[in-house]
Amino acid sequence: EDQVTQSPEALRLQEGESSSLNCSYTVSGLRGLFWYRQDPGKGPEFLFTLYSAGEEKEKERLKATLTKKESFLHITAPKPEDSATYLCAVQAPGGGATNKLIFGTGTLLAVQP
Amino acid sequence: ETGVTQSPTHLIKTRGQQVTLRCSSQSGHNTVSWYQQALGQGPQFIFQYYREEENGRGNFPPRFSGLQFPNYSSELNVNALELDDSALYLCASSFLVQETQYFGPGTRLLVL
Repeated sequence: EDQVTQSPEALRLQEGESSSLNCSYTVSGLRGLFWYRQDPGKGPEFLFTLYSAGEEKEKERLKATLTKKESFLHITAPKPEDSATYLCAVQAPGGGATNKLIFGTGTLLAVQP
Repeated sequence: ETGVTQSPTHLIKTRGQQVTLRCSSQSGHNTVSWYQQALGQGPQFIFQYYREEENGRGNFPPRFSGLQFPNYSSELNVNALELDDSALYLCASSFLVQETQYFGPGTRLLVL
C-alpha cells in the first residue's frame, strides 16, 4: 500500500537554528514527490517537486532533497515567518487517476524569535 | 494570473443535509482534484476531473459526487451529510493530469 510518513510531528526551533524535516515513502511507481507549506486554515502552498533520487531544489532558506526511500526538507537559519505545517506528498497512480497525491500528516514547525 | 478560488469559505450544515462546494481552476488548467482534510491530518484524495470526465476516485462513498464544467471550474456535492464530513475541503488544479497541483484556500464545512 502506498504510504507517506513524516517526522517529527512537531518541531520547535529558535530563530537561526537550522534543522531538517523527514518524509519517508513507499509507493509503487513514484511519479513525483512534492513539498507544500500550509498556514492554519488555509490551502497548501506549493514549494518543490522532485522526480528522481539525487535531485535537489532550493528556495530561499529551504532546500529539498530526494533519495529512493525518503526526502528531506532542510531549513537554514529559519525565521519566525517560516512557522507553518510542512506537508510531503507523493504522486502515484491508482484509483484510475494518474495524478493522485498521497499526503503525510505533516510537520508543524514553530520558529521562536 | 488568477489562482485557484473556492466558495464559500465557511459553511455550517446539519446532519442529513446536502451541500455543494465550488472551485474555479487557475487560468489555463484543465484538471481539478478534490481533497478532504480533517483536523491534524493530511489531505485525502476524493476524486479528479479532467476535461469534464471523472479521472479517478479515492476511497469515498458515492454520496460524494462532482462535476467539471466546460470552463474547467468544478463542483463537489455531498449528500446525506454525516458528522464525520466536517473538514476542510480543498480543490487543486493543474495544467495537465500529471503536472503540479496548485491548491485553493479551501472551504471549511461544519456538520452539526
